[in-house]
Amino acid sequence: EPEVTQTPSHQVTQMGQEVILRCVPISNHLYFYWYRQILGQKVEFLVSFYNNEISEKSEIFDDQFSVERPDGSNFTLKIRSTKLEDSAMYFCASSEGGGRATDTQYFGPGTRLTVL
Amino acid sequence: AQSVTQLGSHVSVSEGALVLLRCNYSSSVPPYLFWYVQYPNQGLQLLLKYTSAATLVKGINGFEAEFKKSETSFHLTKPSAHMSDAAEYFCAVRNRDDKIIFGKGTRLHILP
Repeated sequence: EPEVTQTPSHQVTQMGQEVILRCVPISNHLYFYWYRQILGQKVEFLVSFYNNEISEKSEIFDDQFSVERPDGSNFTLKIRSTKLEDSAMYFCASSEGGGRATDTQYFGPGTRLTVL
Repeated sequence: AQSVTQLGSHVSVSEGALVLLRCNYSSSVPPYLFWYVQYPNQGLQLLLKYTSAATLVKGINGFEAEFKKSETSFHLTKPSAHMSDAAEYFCAVRNRDDKIIFGKGTRLHILP
């Protein structure tokens, strides 16, 4: 069964460094998402992406965040200058469509980002 | 604004007993509702979803949930718990846009 994959599974970085989290969505899906889960808190929406542009973003997704689909398979989340509070589990998700009742978002296993 | 509230961050049930995980939602329009499960060190897996068809929704692994508009609830149940059901369960809501709003999660513990 097709699945969303994410790399790395765990990333440790120093505060102020740039990190890129990588995701490979399911191949025929057109809508892509990033969510994050700070330890002990709820899963929060960050951004949705369709047709090579951001379709919606939350207030968490400020100027230090960016997303890109650099080729036909990868979907990346870049954090330009990491802060301690960026430490969280980051989930990528993809769906065939967006907004329809039948569109299910399939989630990857997550990347645990630790900022020291 | 949409939101979901999950009552109980931890729930313990004995193996073979009924599982009941509570979820209440807030939405200005008829919502789409979901339950996701997260097993240790894994991603979020869809258990079931309500999309305004039947109010009783059956999902994988013997779970089901009932949409009750009058109570704004979407509680998750399973008649008989298995040890393999131990995981974290997330209730979530989505309107006609594509953003999912998650609850805080309920960790289900199964007692032998």
